[in-house]
Amino acid sequence: EVQLVESGGGLIQPGGSLRLSCAASGFTVSSNYMSWVRQAPGKGLEWVSVIYSGGSTYYADSVKGRFTISRDNSKNTLYLQMNSLRAEDTAVYYCARQRELPEYFDYWGQGTLVTVSS
Amino acid sequence: DIQMTQSPSSLSASVGDRVTITCRASQSISSYLNWYQQKPGKAPKLLIYAASSLQSGVPSRFSGSGSGTDFTLTISSLQPEDFATYYCQQSYSTPVTFGPGTKVDIK
Repeated sequence: EVQLVESGGGLIQPGGSLRLSCAASGFTVSSNYMSWVRQAPGKGLEWVSVIYSGGSTYYADSVKGRFTISRDNSKNTLYLQMNSLRAEDTAVYYCARQRELPEYFDYWGQGTLVTVSS
Repeated sequence: DIQMTQSPSSLSASVGDRVTITCRASQSISSYLNWYQQKPGKAPKLLIYAASSLQSGVPSRFSGSGSGTDFTLTISSLQPEDFATYYCQQSYSTPVTFGPGTKVDIK
């Protein structure tokens, strides 16, 4: 059974850093495209970042230069390192498996809440 | 970036109603269009991919159509568990983008 479990969210001050984790089971993270998608309170869905099976990474303009996506193949885990956090980064962060050709998000984690506030 | 719009932004319907939600892309995206359902406090759930392909396990009352810039999600007979927010998403180009959502609630 495919499962994604996020962790690492919490309350952080503006300018701070946080690392989110997404532990996967039932499939191999490194063989798949994996994305982070976020949802600000009461708002819609916003794609944040993707790491392709080949290792290439892409970011939304709103987080480029501040966030880094990575994976640990030995732990079958996806990460999102978030630096220089801003109030507007406050959201529930979901990890999702992204199928290829066509691309769509077929499995999602339960989400982890990141609150950026002083 | 490709902009996605949805209409209506919300609708009220009764159990058994036929419901149609429209999604429009700012440029042609062929059939690279997906639909998700989200209930409060839960992660989104994939309903339809590639405009018209039903995800495994999703009831057949859900269907999708369209290509190019205009797409439709139809629920043929609304059930109590279908009250939720629905999002379209284009996967034609990076960054993938979502529509603003359509909230379906009980009349």
